[in-house]
Amino acid sequence: LAKTTQPISMDSYEGQEVNITCSHNNIATNDYITWYQQFPSQGPRFIIQGYKTKVTNEVASLFIPADRKSSTLSLPRVSLSDTAVYYCLVMSSARQLTFGSGTQLTVLP
Amino acid sequence: GAVVSQHPSWVICKSGTSVKIECRSLDFQATTMFWYRQFPKQSLMLMATSNEGSKATYEQGVEKDKFLINHASLTLSTLTVTSAHPEDSSFYICSARDPGFSYEQYFGPGTRLTVT
Repeated sequence: LAKTTQPISMDSYEGQEVNITCSHNNIATNDYITWYQQFPSQGPRFIIQGYKTKVTNEVASLFIPADRKSSTLSLPRVSLSDTAVYYCLVMSSARQLTFGSGTQLTVLP
Repeated sequence: GAVVSQHPSWVICKSGTSVKIECRSLDFQATTMFWYRQFPKQSLMLMATSNEGSKATYEQGVEKDKFLINHASLTLSTLTVTSAHPEDSSFYICSARDPGFSYEQYFGPGTRLTVT
């Protein structure tokens, strides 16, 4: 299984851009990189998914270098409501998801 | 995105009793569903993979006789915690993959189980 490593926690202030980096050194050719957000006592919520280069949607951007051994989730202008745990996972169509420890993002006023 | 629901959202039961948790895919058919358990301040831990029409595949260390999984239809999987004990108290989350988009996995809102 492709293991991911990400910082345990990060602090930021409202209005700032937050970048969370994840390493996945043994990512396979068929794997996609996916990020989820989880609030306490809720199921994970899909944020963004990508295979290579850059992906952007209405809530985040995902940057993936050419070697795909890492990825960076970028959250523009965070607010207090973005305080949550963010999980980076690699997905293939054949394998189940295995969650790492995630990154606890705390947005301060 | 697709919607996965769980019922109940929380349940309290007495030690020794059994509890059933339902997981439904509301707008797509899921041949495969997954059950996770999450303890406070910890990550999600995969318990088992539920396959429609066949036996579930359990992760190492998960007792299949204690956590009964039934995936009787393409939109419903159930997890029954049998003879529950206080150490089974946890947050149980299911997820499902849309077979039309195999890289997308959707999670239910979770079920908080408290065993007294």
